Amino acid sequence: KAGVTQTPRYLIKTRGQQVTLSCSPISGHRSVSWYQQTPGQGLQFLFEYFSETQRNKGNFPGRFSGRQFSNSRSEMNVSTLELGDSALYLCASSRSQGGAATDTQYFGPGTRLTVL
Amino acid sequence: AQSVAQPEDQVNVAEGNPLTVKCTYSVSGNPYLFWYVQYPNRGLQFLLKYITGDNLVKGSYGFEAEFNKSQTSFHLKKPSALVSDSALYFCAVRDYGNTGKLIFGQGTTLQVKP
Repeated sequence: KAGVTQTPRYLIKTRGQQVTLSCSPISGHRSVSWYQQTPGQGLQFLFEYFSETQRNKGNFPGRFSGRQFSNSRSEMNVSTLELGDSALYLCASSRSQGGAATDTQYFGPGTRLTVL
Repeated sequence: AQSVAQPEDQVNVAEGNPLTVKCTYSVSGNPYLFWYVQYPNRGLQFLLKYITGDNLVKGSYGFEAEFNKSQTSFHLKKPSALVSDSALYFCAVRDYGNTGKLIFGQGTTLQVKP
């Protein structure tokens, strides 16, 4: 079974631009979560989607948004990029059947975003 | 609020020796705990989880973890370390409520020397 895939793997943008990252979950998984990883802040939760609905949101500004499509694929968008948005963005998927709390999340390889 | 702490930034161990990577947690309600490993320029790989039941959890690549409720700890262990185990290890706890959100520790770098 194919794992979680993320595209693109690497991105270089300049301040003020916007960016869209894509995530395809493992087949049959209905929940997708996004995390930001930086050396200073570690791994921080961005948001979680289940059946095209945002189920949970982390403490990030409104410039960060996401969505999930009917095939469970997800995108996240960052508008008006800032230098501090440079990070590894990780997507994770889980089955999320019978409750999310005990599910295992499986992570993709990440998208490395560099903002110049 | 749910939280986990990994008290060591780095752990050094010789190949063939047992290794332990420490994690303590603070939760309200039942603790759902996870360990992940990250190799350079890669995503996180799932190692094991504790949901309920046996306090000794066995996972991938020969790793295991011991859940200790009285000490609120969930230490990762392996009887014999390999050089290839060198990586960044994260402990995580599931957030409160019906959500998939994970709260991660700061990570521990494991260095296994030949």
